[in-house]
Amino acid sequence: DQQVKQNSPSLSVQEGRISILNCDYTNSMFDYFLWYKKYPAEGPTFLISISSIKDKNEDGRFTVFLNKSAKHLSLHIVPSQPGDSAVYFCAPDSGTYKYIFGTGTRLKVLA
Amino acid sequence: EAGVAQSPRYKIIEKRQSVAFWCNPISGHATLYWYQQILGQGPKLLIQFQNNGVVDDSQLPKDRFSAERLKGVDSTLKIQPAKLEDSAVYLCASSRTRDRGGEKLFFGSGTQLSVL
Repeated sequence: DQQVKQNSPSLSVQEGRISILNCDYTNSMFDYFLWYKKYPAEGPTFLISISSIKDKNEDGRFTVFLNKSAKHLSLHIVPSQPGDSAVYFCAPDSGTYKYIFGTGTRLKVLA
Repeated sequence: EAGVAQSPRYKIIEKRQSVAFWCNPISGHATLYWYQQILGQGPKLLIQFQNNGVVDDSQLPKDRFSAERLKGVDSTLKIQPAKLEDSAVYLCASSRTRDRGGEKLFFGSGTQLSVL
């Protein structure tokens, strides 16, 4: 039972352009949605989050959009930089503080 | 502020052997998590502690995995005996509290386990 899906295993984007990473979920009880970034040989680090009562949250170059009716969220990175190359995980909070991670999307930003 | 410390960084063992991982969370963080990340997958929660009590261990294979968090600080995760499918990165994470939704987790660098 895959409650969180990131259907694009990888994404390549030119430096300076927009990167859009998508996440779909099935559990309507999710209250918060967190995005984590992971570099090789390191643990994931928190990037940005959004509450289910909002439809957009922005932090610098990173914006997360939430469409509750479609059970879909997306992370936009504008402009993309080579240092953004990493694996990105969507991790909703089920309300019991049990974060369920998606399978991740590997982003490669080409210089 | 010091981050989450984990050791060892790498471990290679043969199947049926036992292995233990150690985690020291960020000072003052009440909640501690152990995740298992198999290659190509997202981290999967194994066990969650609040202080020194277990909150959720529903996905911990209890016939071979055990974990403890003595005195509500450090934690150890043990596998005995190990199987080939236990090869993964074991990540420890901590958070300040579980009283507020959306509390972000701070992860250690993980222990990469290879079972031969």
